[in-house]
Amino acid sequence: QQQVKQSPQSLIVQKGGIPIINCAYENTAFDYFPWYQQFPGKGPALLIAIRPDVSEKKEGRFTISFNKSAKQFSLHIMDSQPGDSATYFCAAPYYGNNRLAFGKGNQVVVIP
Amino acid sequence: SQTIHQWPATLVQPVGSPLSLECTVEGTSNPNLYWYRQAAGRGLQLLFYSVGIGQISSEVPQNLSASRPQDRQFILSSKKLLLSDSGFYLCAWSNLKRGWNTGELFFGEGSRLTVL
Repeated sequence: QQQVKQSPQSLIVQKGGIPIINCAYENTAFDYFPWYQQFPGKGPALLIAIRPDVSEKKEGRFTISFNKSAKQFSLHIMDSQPGDSATYFCAAPYYGNNRLAFGKGNQVVVIP
Repeated sequence: SQTIHQWPATLVQPVGSPLSLECTVEGTSNPNLYWYRQAAGRGLQLLFYSVGIGQISSEVPQNLSASRPQDRQFILSSKKLLLSDSGFYLCAWSNLKRGWNTGELFFGEGSRLTVL
């Protein structure tokens, strides 16, 4: 199995700030490590994913930084907006068939 | 384009009653299908996954079962609900690319179950 731990549990930032969410996993894997975004009452949606042979990936205002030796990766939200207020889940793959172990989620609140 | 439907959206059931949650996927064939449960403070827990009709793998021992009677239909069931079965149940689908895990799951809108 795979264990995933996220920190901090919740985060409040001002609009334009850069919330950073951290994720640590236990077992080495060679497939994509994703971040998902979930709004209240909705299913999670893939935000961005990174392969473990890449140290950083950017998509719009979202950046993943990956530290393979430390088995950690983080999500940075640049120029955060109130519409980014959501719960963010990181996940790590284990075995095959796109099975993912998810963290407990980080609630991010962006204040106008 | 692909879509995923779950129903019912909300359900309130007494302890000991049966359960049936349905999930269907449109616009793709032979998808991998998953049932996740989201409980407060516990993140997303994989309950079952399926790689084809009639092929079900259980990830955790529990009071629930799953079935896949058709290629794009996934059903979560219980004969007798427990209080601990309350939660937000999410169905998801994915396709592998050339056998590689992509980390990409497409989730439905979820079914919120309250057991009283």
